[in-house]
Amino acid sequence: EAGVVQSPRYKIIEKKQPVAFWCNPISGHNTLYWYLQNLGQGPELLIRYENEEAVDDSQLPKDRFSAERLKGVDSTLKIQPAELGDSAVYLCASSLSPLASEQFFGPGTRLTVL
Amino acid sequence: GQSLEQPSEVTAVEGAIVQINCTYQTSGFYGLSWYQQHDGGAPTFLSYNALDGLEETGRFSSFLSRSDSYGYLLLQELQMKDSASYFCAVRDGHSGAGSYQLTFGKGTKLSVIP
Repeated sequence: EAGVVQSPRYKIIEKKQPVAFWCNPISGHNTLYWYLQNLGQGPELLIRYENEEAVDDSQLPKDRFSAERLKGVDSTLKIQPAELGDSAVYLCASSLSPLASEQFFGPGTRLTVL
Repeated sequence: GQSLEQPSEVTAVEGAIVQINCTYQTSGFYGLSWYQQHDGGAPTFLSYNALDGLEETGRFSSFLSRSDSYGYLLLQELQMKDSASYFCAVRDGHSGAGSYQLTFGKGTKLSVIP
């Protein structure tokens, strides 16, 4: 069974440019999460989806970040415009349900903003 | 808000036993999870404790004391491949929300030496 797929794995952009990350969760997983992980830190939740509905986006900086999960399967996280401080790893995870104890993480997208 | 404390680094000898402690402060506590992350890799689920006591899975065990807001991960018969970062994560929720959020600690970098 395929795990959580993310692309691209690495992205280097200049500040003020837009960037998008894509995630395909494990088949059948209704809950999808986007996390941000800074170097030497644990993942921090940005947004959680139940099917196509964003049910927890309180930590998402809405002035520049947006996300969508139109058909309740794959998801896209966008930053526009990117700032230097956005350099981090963006992790996508999925779980069978919001009550599941285990989350399955993708390999992440490492973003460098110059 | 939530806060978690775990040692930043631990070094242990191959074949030995190591314990990684985690203390937490949170409201609406439901359980404590542990994740392993190798450099450049995805976090992977190790264990989840909702009730007090010890849970054993192969060489890894996890313990929780809800009254002490404390847990630990025990790794036995250490192998070189166990060198990684280990994150404790508190699972908490909001009354009536029917869902949970994971808040991660900053991680403990374990180095296994020959």
